[in-house]
Amino acid sequence: AQTVTQSQPEMSVQEAETVTLSCTYDTSESDYYLFWYKQPPSRQMILVIRQEAYKQQNATENRFSVNFQKAAKSFSLKISDSQLGDAAMYFCAYHHNTGTASKLTFGTGTRLQVTL
Amino acid sequence: GAVVSQHPSRVICKSGTSVKIECRSLDFQATTMFWYRQFPKQSLMLMATSNEGSKATYEQGVEKDKFLINHASLTLSTLTVTSAHPEDSSFYICSARGGRTQETQYFGPGTRLLVL
Repeated sequence: AQTVTQSQPEMSVQEAETVTLSCTYDTSESDYYLFWYKQPPSRQMILVIRQEAYKQQNATENRFSVNFQKAAKSFSLKISDSQLGDAAMYFCAYHHNTGTASKLTFGTGTRLQVTL
Repeated sequence: GAVVSQHPSRVICKSGTSVKIECRSLDFQATTMFWYRQFPKQSLMLMATSNEGSKATYEQGVEKDKFLINHASLTLSTLTVTSAHPEDSSFYICSARGGRTQETQYFGPGTRLLVL
């Protein structure tokens, strides 16, 4: 079974600085997708970024980028120029497409604090 | 982007009553919808997967007679908590996937259920 591990329960970053959240996963599949979701205090889950495993190029979305190391099964999220609104719980998630039965496997989350 | 709504956002009910939560995909056809439960400071726990026009698939340990799921159309899924008890109090989140990005789930804003 696939597992997703987020080893940092909490992280803190100063406003305007850069922070990296780590995520590792375990799978025997070669074709899959990885995601980072953000859950702010409102508890709305927001898609931050996604990465297709078959793409070597790291995904980027504005201030958010990933470091995808397929061989190491690592998928870290880098937040640049951190803003107060980035404070949230961040979940890493894995998806392998097995048709209608496929589902997301979530990590335990990392709580990010942004300080002035 | 893909928008998923959920209604109601909060509900308080008496023990023994049933509560229905609706999940709608507003701008895409959701071939698959998911229902999650989230306890405080924890990750999302998948309860069931529903595909339009077919019976839901429940995760191990989730009582299908307790949590009734109906996915009658490509834009609507409902979760009914039957004979609710205080231990059913929780945060329930739905998600949907479909359209061009079959592997990406988009989440509703969640429903906070309190059973007295």
